[in-house]
Amino acid sequence: AQSVTQLDSQVPVFEEAPVELRCNYSSSVSVYLFWYVQYPNQGLQLLLKYLSGSTLVESINGFEAEFNKSQTSFHLRKPSVHISDTAEYFCAVRWDTGFQKLVFGTGTRLLVSP
Amino acid sequence: DTGVSQNPRHKITKRGQNVTFRCDPISEHNRLYWYRQTLGQGPEFLTYFQNEAQLEKSRLLSDRFSAERPKGSFSTLEIQRTEQGDSAMYLCASSLADREETQYFGPGTRLLVL
Repeated sequence: AQSVTQLDSQVPVFEEAPVELRCNYSSSVSVYLFWYVQYPNQGLQLLLKYLSGSTLVESINGFEAEFNKSQTSFHLRKPSVHISDTAEYFCAVRWDTGFQKLVFGTGTRLLVSP
Repeated sequence: DTGVSQNPRHKITKRGQNVTFRCDPISEHNRLYWYRQTLGQGPEFLTYFQNEAQLEKSRLLSDRFSAERPKGSFSTLEIQRTEQGDSAMYLCASSLADREETQYFGPGTRLLVL
């Protein structure tokens, strides 16, 4: 079965420290990979995506993620976090099998403190 | 604002009542998705439309749930005879049907069944 694993339910970090949020998925069949961010009582906002091409993708607010096909991973990183990065982060995968749905991980709550 | 919109944003109802939610997608998007998100979990796929055709339904979508997209634009999700277990955030997303499809989410409708 297709599944997405975010092992860390919560990651506490101090402001200006680096952070990595981990995401692994179940199959190495052709995939499309996404990170979404959710602020309290809001919907999901697309943070970044890997569709094809360079395995390193970046967002406009300093996050980056690297597609690693051999390890079936798509970890999210930021070299220096801000208080405003406090949110829930979801990894999502769409397998290139003809089914269009996204399969989400359970989310990682990033808590940035001063 | 040309993003995905959902109404209402919040709904409180009593067990056994019927509720209906509306989603207006991004205007040029031909695919529309419904997901459900319970507390502490990632969104789970319910169903999706391409234009007015409902192409896929999850087993999560019991016979009390019905979704429509009559003119290929907005969509409604109806829950009949609500149960307390239906309490969740209902998220709508829309996309363009192409190989590099990316889903954009609305703010969600939070349902509380008393």
